[in-house]
Amino acid sequence: EAGVVQSPRYKIIEKKQPVAFWCNPISGHNTLYWYLQNLGQGPELLIRYENEEAVDDSQLPKDRFSAERLKGVDSTLKIQPAELGDSAVYLCASSPGGGADTQYFGPGTRLTVL
Amino acid sequence: GIQVEQSPPDLILQEGANSTLRCNFSDSVNNLQWFHQNPWGQLINLFYIPSGTKQNGRLSATTVATERYSLLYISSSQTTDSGVYFCAGTLQGAQKLVFGQGTRLTINP
Repeated sequence: EAGVVQSPRYKIIEKKQPVAFWCNPISGHNTLYWYLQNLGQGPELLIRYENEEAVDDSQLPKDRFSAERLKGVDSTLKIQPAELGDSAVYLCASSPGGGADTQYFGPGTRLTVL
Repeated sequence: GIQVEQSPPDLILQEGANSTLRCNFSDSVNNLQWFHQNPWGQLINLFYIPSGTKQNGRLSATTVATERYSLLYISSSQTTDSGVYFCAGTLQGAQKLVFGQGTRLTINP
């Protein structure tokens, strides 16, 4: 069974540029999460989807961040415009059902904003 | 929100040693989980352990929910055990998983 797939693995952009990250969860997993992980810290939840509905986006900086999960499968996280402080690893995770049951993480996208 | 405190922050051991990692929560939690993040950044779920004890090979975990802590035991450490270990949990009634700051474990050959 394939795990959570993310792309790209690495991205370097200049500040004020847009950037997008893509995630394909484990087949059959209804819940999808996007996390932000700063260096030396644990992941922090940005947004959680149940199927195509964003049920918790309270931590998503909506002035520059947006996310979508069309058709309840793949998801895209976008930043526009990027700032220096956005440099971090963006992790996608999925789980079979609702709630905070066992989560399976993708390899992450390491973003560097210059 | 809940505070998750992990100790020690760093641990350096020789191969073959045993170790105990601790996770304290500021409030009662549900859905307590332990993760290992390897040196390449991949997070692997080790245990889903809201209470009680579980074992998987050289690793075991115990959660005492009434006292708001969990322990992860690693026996006969191997160099591949190196990385950062995170615990995470949710507040009762909530579904947001909150992570600790992690314990960085280095196993030297």
